[in-house]
Amino acid sequence: GQSLEQPSEVTAVEGAIVQINCTYQTSGFYGLSWYQQHDGGAPTFLSYNALDGLEETGRFSSFLSRSDSYGYLLLQELQMKDSASYFCAVRLSSGNTPLVFGKGTRLSVIA
Amino acid sequence: EAGVVQSPRYKIIEKKQPVAFWCNPISGHNTLYWYLQNLGQGPELLIRYENEEAVDDSQLPKDRFSAERLKGVDSTLKIQPAELGDSAVYLCASQRGQGGTGELFFGEGSRLTVL
Repeated sequence: GQSLEQPSEVTAVEGAIVQINCTYQTSGFYGLSWYQQHDGGAPTFLSYNALDGLEETGRFSSFLSRSDSYGYLLLQELQMKDSASYFCAVRLSSGNTPLVFGKGTRLSVIA
Repeated sequence: EAGVVQSPRYKIIEKKQPVAFWCNPISGHNTLYWYLQNLGQGPELLIRYENEEAVDDSQLPKDRFSAERLKGVDSTLKIQPAELGDSAVYLCASQRGQGGTGELFFGEGSRLTVL
């Protein structure tokens, strides 16, 4: 089976930095993605790592260590609008293959 | 570019009734997915289409669920008869050609409540 572990909830203060970790055990691995989902909304793509290292996109960064089967999403300069659920998802192989999602981390940003 | 469109957004039915959900993917996206999302959980794959062909339906409960994608564009997911445990959000997603990040473009989902 496929297993992705991430914390269920995280709370952080506006303007701070928060890191959401994801560890995975899957039958295959091609890359790790992160998605954001606001309540009642569609999951939207944030980032993707296929190789080890850090990818930066504005206030969001994502890291991958393939040898440790581990990745994280880093959110900087937190804003109230960042309150949402964040999902890590494993791409099992190349091409158009389904993503396997974690259960999600609910981030609450407080003033 | 228009996003993935799903309807209805909300549906309330009694158990044993049938229900159908419709999805219009982004133009030109040949790959289409139906995912199920229970409250507080991540999306779980139900079925994947490449054009009009279902290439991965191993997670679809075929005794009550069916799906089709006629002409390789719009898709319909049907449940008949619905059970209490089917209450969830049904998400449709589409994907560009192979390569790149494999990004999925999701619709806002159809929220089903079975009473």
